[in-house]
Amino acid sequence: GAVVSQHPSWVICKSGTSVKIECRSLDFQATTMFWYRQFPKQSLMLMATSNEGSKATYEQGVEKDKFLINHASLTLSTLTVTSAHPEDSSFYICSASVPGTTEAFFGQGTRLTVV
Amino acid sequence: GENVEQHPSTLSVQEGDSAVIKCTYSDSASNYFPWYKQELGKRPQLIIDIRSNVGEKKDQRIAVTLNKTAKHFSLHITETQPEDSAVYFCAASREGSGYSTLTFGKGTMLLVSP
Repeated sequence: GAVVSQHPSWVICKSGTSVKIECRSLDFQATTMFWYRQFPKQSLMLMATSNEGSKATYEQGVEKDKFLINHASLTLSTLTVTSAHPEDSSFYICSASVPGTTEAFFGQGTRLTVV
Repeated sequence: GENVEQHPSTLSVQEGDSAVIKCTYSDSASNYFPWYKQELGKRPQLIIDIRSNVGEKKDQRIAVTLNKTAKHFSLHITETQPEDSAVYFCAASREGSGYSTLTFGKGTMLLVSP
């Protein structure tokens, strides 16, 4: 299957700093990528849909100025958590589908801890 | 929008028993229903999916059934093994709408005891 790579796998940062998470499609081009947040023992909650060359579409309740998404190329989307606070600590995971197909391939996820 | 309900939230079985996880969806236009397995700290992996033009699909010990009229679908795992222990998520989406946004159920933690 297709491969989606996410980096870093884990990161610890201080409150008030910003953290950038990368999501890459390694063997296919993805015009659309999805960003999810997952709390412990909970489901995947869609945060936003990242569209190559245009603005991301955010789900209700997700602050677009807090979670900046940039999809500058067909193989890379980035999520930047700005002015991070402890409540932003979570598991963030991206996904993408091969164009013309529906199966979603997930990145390995990023464990963010804000101290 | 779509709403997916999943039950049970936890399921404990003995090795060799069968396990059944059930999901319901709200959007009658949804036509693609994948199931994902997520081990602790790892990415979700697709284990089986079904489209609305079929009622059942089987892959070795795993099967999925779909009832479009009732808007529910189920995952069946037979002859469970300890390595089946994980969190399982159902999802629903509309294929053919440009890109498909998956709506996930809340997940079922399956524990298979030796």
